[in-house]
Amino acid sequence: ILNVEQSPQSLHVQEGDSTNFTCSFPSSNFYALHWYRWETAKSPEALFVMTLNGDEKKKGRISATLNTKEGYSYLYIKGSQPEDSATYLCASPKTSYDKVIFGPGTSLSVIP
Amino acid sequence: NAGVTQTPKFQVLKTGQSMTLQCAQDMNHNSMYWYRQDPGMGLRLIYYSASEGTTDKGEVPNGYNVSRLNKREFSLRLESAAPSQTSVYFCASSEDGRGVRGQYFGPGTRLTVT
Repeated sequence: ILNVEQSPQSLHVQEGDSTNFTCSFPSSNFYALHWYRWETAKSPEALFVMTLNGDEKKKGRISATLNTKEGYSYLYIKGSQPEDSATYLCASPKTSYDKVIFGPGTSLSVIP
Repeated sequence: NAGVTQTPKFQVLKTGQSMTLQCAQDMNHNSMYWYRQDPGMGLRLIYYSASEGTTDKGEVPNGYNVSRLNKREFSLRLESAAPSQTSVYFCASSEDGRGVRGQYFGPGTRLTVT
């Protein structure tokens, strides 16, 4: 993998469902993996920064895991709520100089 | 504490006109970035500044210039605007230059070039 990729591109779930999506990134020369939440008409907001293989982070109903050896991270949302509707971006620096490259995002819609 | 601020919020330019987008942060961050956001393309890095006094090209630098005026301010200049530069521009900053801290984003500037 040469770039940061995310799947699925979009997701529609019912309120109360749990969901997860994937970020794939180059595993060589890994420095960090960022997750951002981006609501419509607002700016991206950092959720997690993960640096170590096996890292798990949690913020409320949202959690993330990291596998640097195989180059992927999962973001989980437990019991989705309408306010979770947003685009979720992941990003990874390509070099040590903070040249962060973003994936295309996963757009989540939670239907009440 | 305002975080990252950007001016203007909206701008309409004619082809060939020039303008400067302003960005400032009050968090004493070392690194600052300019991104553009286009439908279906996500966020693409235009230029970044790892620390005061340094700047470097990102993925899509053509048609743009930047100035890291001081630690707080990082401006983006379009010398001769083209319709392909119609986009939403985001400025961001982060504490460190190694990518192990998250980025803080400004509210964005919506630019239309006719």
